[in-house]
This record gives sequence, C-alpha cells and structure tokens, in this order.
Amino acid sequence: EAGVTQFPSHSVIEKGQTVTLRCDPISGHDNLYWYRRVMGKEIKFLLHFVKESKQDESGMPNNRFLAERTGGTYSTLKVQPAELEDSGVYFCASSQRVWGNEQFFGPGTRLTVL
Amino acid sequence: AQSVTQLGSHVSVSEGALVLLRCNYSSSVPPYLFWYVQYPNQGLQLLLKYTTGATLVKGINGFEAEFKKSETSFHLTKPSAHMSDAAEYFCAVSPDSSASKIIFGSGTRLSIRP
Repeated sequence: EAGVTQFPSHSVIEKGQTVTLRCDPISGHDNLYWYRRVMGKEIKFLLHFVKESKQDESGMPNNRFLAERTGGTYSTLKVQPAELEDSGVYFCASSQRVWGNEQFFGPGTRLTVL
Repeated sequence: AQSVTQLGSHVSVSEGALVLLRCNYSSSVPPYLFWYVQYPNQGLQLLLKYTTGATLVKGINGFEAEFKKSETSFHLTKPSAHMSDAAEYFCAVSPDSSASKIIFGSGTRLSIRP
C-alpha cells in the first residue's frame, strides 16, 4: 500500500511568487492534515480536512495560504504571494480511523523563499 | 491548552549505551501521547503511542516509553543504542481520541558515537 506522497520534494521561489504544494493521502483516508516546520522549530498544525470539508483551519497563518481538497482525494496548499518567513518544511498526513488518531505522514516539501 | 516540552535539542550517546529522550506535556484532559521519528530525507514515522491502559508502551526498533501522569512525562528510552537510531525524535500530544490535530514538541536530534 502506498504511503502519503507529497510533491514537489523541494521548491525554491522568490519572494512574491506563488507556490502550490500537493499531497496525496493514503487511499481511503478521509482525514487529511497539513503541518509546517519553520527553521528547526516545532512542527505546527495548519489545518484538517474531513473528506473535502475543512474541519479545523485554526493553524493557518494568514490569508496568503489557501488549502483545497476537491473531491476529497488529494489536497493542495497554495501560498500567494510567498514571503521569506514562509520558508520551512510542509508536511501532510492522513488518517482513517477516528479512534487512536494515528496519522501517517508524508516526506514533506521543503520550501525556500529567497 | 496543550503543549509539549522536549528537554535537549541534541543528545549524543555512544553505541550500546542507554538512550533517554525526555518529554513533558501539559494537558487539561487525559492526553493521547506519541513519539515520532524522522530519519534523514524521510517522513515522520510513528514509534509508539499511549492512549489508555498500560502505562509502559513498547514501540518499534526496541524503543519504549512510560506515561507518568504524576510527573506529566512521557520519556522515550532504549537500552542499547545502535548507529541506525541516529535521527530526530518528536514527542507529541493529541487532546482526545477523535481525529484532530497533533501538537508536537520541538524535536531532539539523536547522534550515536561509534
């Protein structure tokens, strides 16, 4: 069974540009999460989808970030326009079961904003 | 509000020595506790988790952790370190059994000396 995949693995863009990150969860997982780790700090929650609906987006830093999950399958996270402080590693995770909350993580996308 | 504190951003032990990575949490409700590991160039992998029941939890690769409610701790141990254990380890907490966000500590990088 394939795990959570993320694309691209690395992205280097200039300040002011737009970047779109993609996450493909494990097949059949209704829950999809985005997290971010900035500059060696703790990994912070961004948002949580249940199928195509946003269940919790309390961690989204500002309105430059837009997450979508059309059809309840893969998800995209768009940053527009990107700022220097957006640099970091963006992780996606998915889970199936409600009980136990075991989330399976992807390898992450390393975003560098110059 | 829940939080996680990992003592020591970097721990170095000799091969064959005891590994002890410290984690303390704060939670107003009985927490679900996790340890994740990130090997170089890989995603986060669940090492072990505590939900309910036995407070000593065994995980993969010989790791275990003990939930101590009185000390609000969930330290990770391994009796004998192996070179392959070199990675970054994250302690995390989730507020309940429902599918919800995970709150991570800042991580501890474990180095193994030959």
